[in-house]
Amino acid sequence: DIQMTQSPSSLSASVGDRVTITCRASQGISNYLAWFQQKPGKAPTSLIYAASSLQSGVPSKFSGSGSGTDFTLTISSLQPEDFATYYCQQYNSYPFTFGPGTKVDIK
Amino acid sequence: QVELVESGGGVVQPGRSLRLSCAASGFTFSSYGMHWVRQAPGKGLEWVAVIWHDGDNKYYADSVKGRLTISRDNSKNTLYLQMNSLRAEDTAVYYCARASATVVIDNWGQGTLVTVSS
Repeated sequence: DIQMTQSPSSLSASVGDRVTITCRASQGISNYLAWFQQKPGKAPTSLIYAASSLQSGVPSKFSGSGSGTDFTLTISSLQPEDFATYYCQQYNSYPFTFGPGTKVDIK
Repeated sequence: QVELVESGGGVVQPGRSLRLSCAASGFTFSSYGMHWVRQAPGKGLEWVAVIWHDGDNKYYADSVKGRLTISRDNSKNTLYLQMNSLRAEDTAVYYCARASATVVIDNWGQGTLVTVSS
C-alpha cells in the first residue's frame, strides 16, 4: 500500500499569511493526488484534484502543485474561514490512502 | 445540487451487523462511482471502499476486506455499506462520497455515526 505523510502536522498562522502544506507519497503516484478541507464537527469538502486542479467553486487562493512523490497545497492569503484540517489523498492505486492531516489554527 | 444523505448508524454490539445507506439526489446516480470514507473519533480520514457506477468493480481497504461490503441500487439512487462482524475499531463517522469521472472524491455527505460497544 502507498503511505502518505504530511508536514507539518499542525501550524499556527495569522490572517493574511501565506501557508504551505507538504504531502509526500511512499512511491510515485504521478499526479493522482487530491486535497480536502475539514472544519471541526463538519464533513470534509473537496478542494483540489489531479494535484493542481481546483474543484468547482473553490476559491483561487487555494493552489496545488507537485508530481511523483512530493506535493504542496498553498493558501495565498489565509482568511478566518480557512482555519481547518487539511488532508491529502492518493488515488493512483488501491487501496486509496489519506495523509494524517495538517491542522491550521490561529496564531 | 448534489445531495448525499447517510443513514443507518447507531450503537451495535461487537460481532453484530449493521447496514448503512446513502440516498443520492441532484445528479444521475447511475453514472458515478461512489466511495465510503470513515473517521474514528478524534482521528483522521480513512478510505473504506469504492464501487464503480455500474457496480461491477469494488475495492476495499485491507482493514475492512471480508467484513464490510459496498453495494448500490441504481434504481433507488442508493449506496449501501453492509457491515458484518463489527469490532470496536470500526467505531467512526461514516461518510459516503461521490467519485468524479477520474474516481477522485468531489462531493461528500454529512456522515452517520457508528458506535461498536457492548
